[in-house]
Amino acid sequence: GENVEQHPSTLSVQEGDSAVIKCTYSDSASNYFPWYKQELGKGPQLIIDIRSNVGEKKDQRIAVTLNKTAKHFSLHITETQPEDSAVYFCAAPGGFKTIFGAGTRLFVKA
Amino acid sequence: GAVVSQHPSWVICKSGTSVKIECRSLDFQATTMFWYRQFPKQSLMLMATSNEGSKATYEQGVEKDKFLINHASLTLSTLTVTSAHPEDSSFYICSARSLAGDLNTGELFFGEGSRLTVL
Repeated sequence: GENVEQHPSTLSVQEGDSAVIKCTYSDSASNYFPWYKQELGKGPQLIIDIRSNVGEKKDQRIAVTLNKTAKHFSLHITETQPEDSAVYFCAAPGGFKTIFGAGTRLFVKA
Repeated sequence: GAVVSQHPSWVICKSGTSVKIECRSLDFQATTMFWYRQFPKQSLMLMATSNEGSKATYEQGVEKDKFLINHASLTLSTLTVTSAHPEDSSFYICSARSLAGDLNTGELFFGEGSRLTVL
């Protein structure tokens, strides 16, 4: 089955700097890779996703890149702001289910 | 985007009582809903997959008699924690997959979560 690994578990950056979170997956047949942001006490919210037919997708300050050969995908946040502080989860489909990474706790220091 | 509403957002109950949590898809129909449990500083742990009109599929180690799931319509799934104990205290989250969504995309919409505290 699918296995998703996420790094780092914690990331602290200065406001305005960039943050990068990486995930690897094991199932080469996986074709959809979402990223979720979870704020304290709330459910996860989809912030960006990418399908396997493209290598990069960007939405304002957020971008996701996908390397199918290496089976890894990354979340890039530029010009970070304090409100970006949250836990971020990557995910990949595991059959009918969705397999989540362990999460990255991002701290953006003002 | 699609909206999933979860209620209540928090609940406190006495040990031995049962608690019901509702998960509703507000603007789309969901053939499949998922229930997760999340401990502090940990990832989401899938408890069960809820399919409209059929029995839920539970993950290994999850007691189906303890966590009753009902998915009676395309817009509502409920999770009932029966005879709750303090160790059942946790953050419970539901998610729904749209009827129109590709089953392989994993495109999910999450509820706001329900924090259960059992005294």
